[in-house]
Amino acid sequence: EADIYQTPRYLVIGTGKKITLECSQTMGHDKMYWYQQDPGMELHLIHYSYGVNSTEKGDLSSESTVSRIRTEHFPLTLESARPSHTSQYLCASSDEGTGANTGELFFGEGSRLTVL
Amino acid sequence: GQQVMQIPQYQHVQEGEDFTTYCNSSTTLSNIQWYKQRPGGHPVFLIQLVKSGEVKKQKRLTFQFGEAKKNSSLHITATQTTDVGTYFCAGNAGNNRKLIWGLGTSLAVNP
Repeated sequence: EADIYQTPRYLVIGTGKKITLECSQTMGHDKMYWYQQDPGMELHLIHYSYGVNSTEKGDLSSESTVSRIRTEHFPLTLESARPSHTSQYLCASSDEGTGANTGELFFGEGSRLTVL
Repeated sequence: GQQVMQIPQYQHVQEGEDFTTYCNSSTTLSNIQWYKQRPGGHPVFLIQLVKSGEVKKQKRLTFQFGEAKKNSSLHITATQTTDVGTYFCAGNAGNNRKLIWGLGTSLAVNP
């Protein structure tokens, strides 16, 4: 069983609220990722980090921000939530892999966000 | 840009029938990974292939990486209701350290 945890699992909030989605892993992985996924749809990479104090934007533009102050912790923040942010947010981590290959991704159970 | 196509997008089968999903890349991949996501769940890693022409088996699941390392397939023999879910392929291309994901194939199994 993967040791990566996300909270909250479900969140319903009103427009304009600030939210933080928490993600923690105990595997000591340097690489962490945030994906956005609508039900039954593909995975979109929105943020990634290859280590402490390293964060990059992913392939899908997102108004969210991330931080990586500790190896095990990779929170995602939305300063002002809007209905268009309604989605599932999946956090993942991976080991170094070999060469340029990404290692196996371990996913958290996801945070389902609904913005009214 | 680099793309990975997966077909079919959806597949309904009768329990006991076989199922195959195909993953096709526009560029040569250095590896291919397969994940399974149950309805309402999160993706779970199944396997990684790195060698040209590689074939790996996990019980009823057979994974193949093409000779040109541009395509891959996942074949399930005699499907069961526990196989229901969406199967995603993903791979690295060149020196791009970010995984390129397929759109997934959703499998429904009628008991």
